[in-house]
Amino acid sequence: GAGVSQSPSNKVTEKGKDVELRCDPISGHTALYWYRQRLGQGLEFLIYFQGNSAPDKSGLPSDRFSAERTGESVSTLTIQRTQQEDSAVYLCASSLQEYYEQYFGPGTRLTVT
Amino acid sequence: QKEVEQNSGPLSVPEGAIASLNCTYSDRVSQSFFWYRQYSGKSPELIMSIYSNGDKEDGRFTAQLNKASQYVSLLIRDSQPSDSATYLCAVKGDTGGFKTIFGAGTRLFVKA
Repeated sequence: GAGVSQSPSNKVTEKGKDVELRCDPISGHTALYWYRQRLGQGLEFLIYFQGNSAPDKSGLPSDRFSAERTGESVSTLTIQRTQQEDSAVYLCASSLQEYYEQYFGPGTRLTVT
Repeated sequence: QKEVEQNSGPLSVPEGAIASLNCTYSDRVSQSFFWYRQYSGKSPELIMSIYSNGDKEDGRFTAQLNKASQYVSLLIRDSQPSDSATYLCAVKGDTGGFKTIFGAGTRLFVKA
């Protein structure tokens, strides 16, 4: 079946612009996660959605970052007023339920110039 | 602060040898444990999940879990150059919103 998909695969933006990243989870997966991975670094948790529960936003680095998810479908991660330190690969993952393994999408590489 | 610790490596093993990757975690109530492989420039790929103490084997891979020691390991038998990658240990508890904590990863090089 189809895996997690993300769009765009690459995004180059100017400092100060807003960007929106999209994630389509595996069908039927109730949990969805966003991570950030800077070059040569580990995964940094950003936000987690589980069904209709309130999301866990504890990893969002600033109020410039926000994310939405409609039901158990698509999620969007929005970064407002981008800064150069936002340059990274943004990874989305989904899992069947919260205890189970996560499957990652290919990521969106964001470059802020 | 929940933590997952891995040796950063690099770990270098000859082709055909056994590679042993280790991970310790701080949260005693952790319930789910995962190993991912990440090739350079790619996203993490699930290798194994393990939920109970003991060994779990899948092909050339064996995951070992010891909850009393808060330790999980991954053994790769008959290592191949294509196994060269960064291996991420991930731990999920049943508190704190089921957030998964990832280790920083161990870089493995398999020499032909």
